[in-house]
Amino acid sequence: ILNVEQSPQSLHVQEGDSTNFTCSFPSSNFYALHWYRWETAKSPEALFVMTLNGDEKKKGRISATLNTKEGYSYLYIKGSQPEDSATYLCASPMGDSWGKLQFGAGTQVVVTP
Amino acid sequence: DAMVIQNPRYQVTQFGKPVTLSCSQTLNHNVMYWYQQKSSQAPKLLFHYYDKDFNNEADTPDNFQSRRPNTSFCFLDIRSPGLGDAAMYLCATSRDRGVQETQYFGPGTRLLVL
Repeated sequence: ILNVEQSPQSLHVQEGDSTNFTCSFPSSNFYALHWYRWETAKSPEALFVMTLNGDEKKKGRISATLNTKEGYSYLYIKGSQPEDSATYLCASPMGDSWGKLQFGAGTQVVVTP
Repeated sequence: DAMVIQNPRYQVTQFGKPVTLSCSQTLNHNVMYWYQQKSSQAPKLLFHYYDKDFNNEADTPDNFQSRRPNTSFCFLDIRSPGLGDAAMYLCATSRDRGVQETQYFGPGTRLLVL
């Protein structure tokens, strides 16, 4: 993998169901992995910054795991609620230590009541 | 609340007519960024300011310029917008540069070129 990639591009979830989606990134020269949540008509908001292989972070019903050796991170939403509807972006600094973020195209999550 | 503000939220311009997008921040952050996001694509960094030091990305077209007159404000100037420049433009700030630095975003300006 040469770029940051996210899958799926979109997903629909019933309220109350749990879901997860993937961010893939180049595993060589790994520095950090950032997750952002972007609700419609609002500003993208930082969720997590992850740096250590095996790291797991949690914020409310949202959690993320990191595998730097194989180059992926999962983001989980437990018991999805309509307010979880957003585009979730991941980003990783690549090729340059000053921290320029390369973003994925995002996973759009729609939670229906 | 400290924040990043972008004006306007929607901007319509004509093909070839110069347009300026503005960004302001109350966070007193050193770094300010401009990203371009086209539909269903990843946000793409155009340039950033590290304090007064301007850093252009190699693949940013010359049509795009930026100014940062003071810590709080940063402008994106598109000299001659083409139809392909229609996009969401995001401004972001960070306290410093670094691989773990969180970026704080404005809500974006959606540019439409007619």
